[in-house]
Amino acid sequence: KQEVTQIPAALSVPEGENLVLNCSFTDSAIYNLQWFRQDPGKGLTSLLLIQSSQREQTSGRLNASLDKSSGRSTLYIAASQPGDSATYLCAVRGAGSYQLTFGKGTKLSVIP
Amino acid sequence: EAQVTQNPRYLITVTGKKLTVTCSQNMNHEYMSWYRQDPGLGLRQIYYSMNVEVTDKGDVPEGYKVSRKEKRNFPLILESPSPNQTSLYFCASSLAGRYEQYFGPGTRLTVT
Repeated sequence: KQEVTQIPAALSVPEGENLVLNCSFTDSAIYNLQWFRQDPGKGLTSLLLIQSSQREQTSGRLNASLDKSSGRSTLYIAASQPGDSATYLCAVRGAGSYQLTFGKGTKLSVIP
Repeated sequence: EAQVTQNPRYLITVTGKKLTVTCSQNMNHEYMSWYRQDPGLGLRQIYYSMNVEVTDKGDVPEGYKVSRKEKRNFPLILESPSPNQTSLYFCASSLAGRYEQYFGPGTRLTVT
């Protein structure tokens, strides 16, 4: 059974810093990996989707990488801003599966 | 506006009183899914549907029912709610083939 781990569970950084969030998964047979943002009491907003054949995806200040063979993905946030404060979740879809397995998230606080 | 809507957003009910949480999407997505989110456990998939009249169990289906009679709607039914079903529920949809998930705003359910 696929397990997804996100470390650290919480992270606090000063405004302007570049930072990396980590996601690891136990079964490398995946279809894709998706990064989400969740604000308190709100739904999930999709940030980036990486297909299993891709190595990375970029959107604005965000860059997500995928190393399927080692079971790892990272989300890089450049020049962090207080508005980036949220919980970031990664989710993996297994190959040949319709099920999505989520990590428990990293709660990011960007201090002005 | 492309979106996933859920109703109600907040619900307080008593043990055993049947309830339905509705989910609707306007993006003509084939795939729809229900999740629950609990502190310390993260997001877990309850049921999913690959298309009209095609549904399957996720990781935590006990105590829930679903139906997919129309492409746009995917209601979640709790025939006899119990306190352990108190949770934050999310509906999501995606286009088959790409599987980038779009989430609704969530329904906070409390069963007393």
